[in-house]
Amino acid sequence: NAGVTQTPKFQVLKTGQSMTLQCAQDMNHEYMSWYRQDPGMGLRLIHYSVGAGITDQGEVPNGYNVSRSTTEDFPLRLLSAAPSQTSVYFCASLAPITDTQYFGPGTRLTVL
Amino acid sequence: EDKVVQSPLSLVVHEGDTVTLNCSYEVTNFRSLLWYKQEKKAPTFLFMLTSSGIEKKSGRLSSILDKKELSSILNITATQTGDSAIYLCAVRLSGYALNFGKGTSLLVTP
Repeated sequence: NAGVTQTPKFQVLKTGQSMTLQCAQDMNHEYMSWYRQDPGMGLRLIHYSVGAGITDQGEVPNGYNVSRSTTEDFPLRLLSAAPSQTSVYFCASLAPITDTQYFGPGTRLTVL
Repeated sequence: EDKVVQSPLSLVVHEGDTVTLNCSYEVTNFRSLLWYKQEKKAPTFLFMLTSSGIEKKSGRLSSILDKKELSSILNITATQTGDSAIYLCAVRLSGYALNFGKGTSLLVTP
């Protein structure tokens, strides 16, 4: 049971490039979400999904796309990277019995 | 607009001290309040509080929710250097999303 996994751990992009941050969980959780964390800002919700085929926007969705084709995977796509997207990105899934979210290890993204 | 405010934003104490971290919220459709500890990696879950006045305890850490005051406190007694971290408070609303405060950065010095 690996919990929530994210790849890559680190990434450097140039402005305008696109990329996908991967997130997977092996706990069969229906609810998954993506957050970004910036210094002094706490964690802010980007997108979330309540199950395969269902996604919705969070607080800061602009510049990001998501899809949920399986229960296990919830990738986050940056369409055209901008320096304002430099951040640490966390994926999380919700354990239904304890009603708590468990976080992946994070991806540190730098956009030059 | 839903709001979660933590105080203080940062704190420096000596080993052995007791600290109290605060979290207040102004939200609609409150479901639960969660505390997380974040060292140099992902947040790790500490407590979830749903009922007012019931203390949750784990070792030297404890937390309680006051629904009347729309607030919660996290206490750490006999602090150790390993308690140095950012402590995050989050409120779960009617859906599944968490609304986070900005965190309290705690530094425990030897």
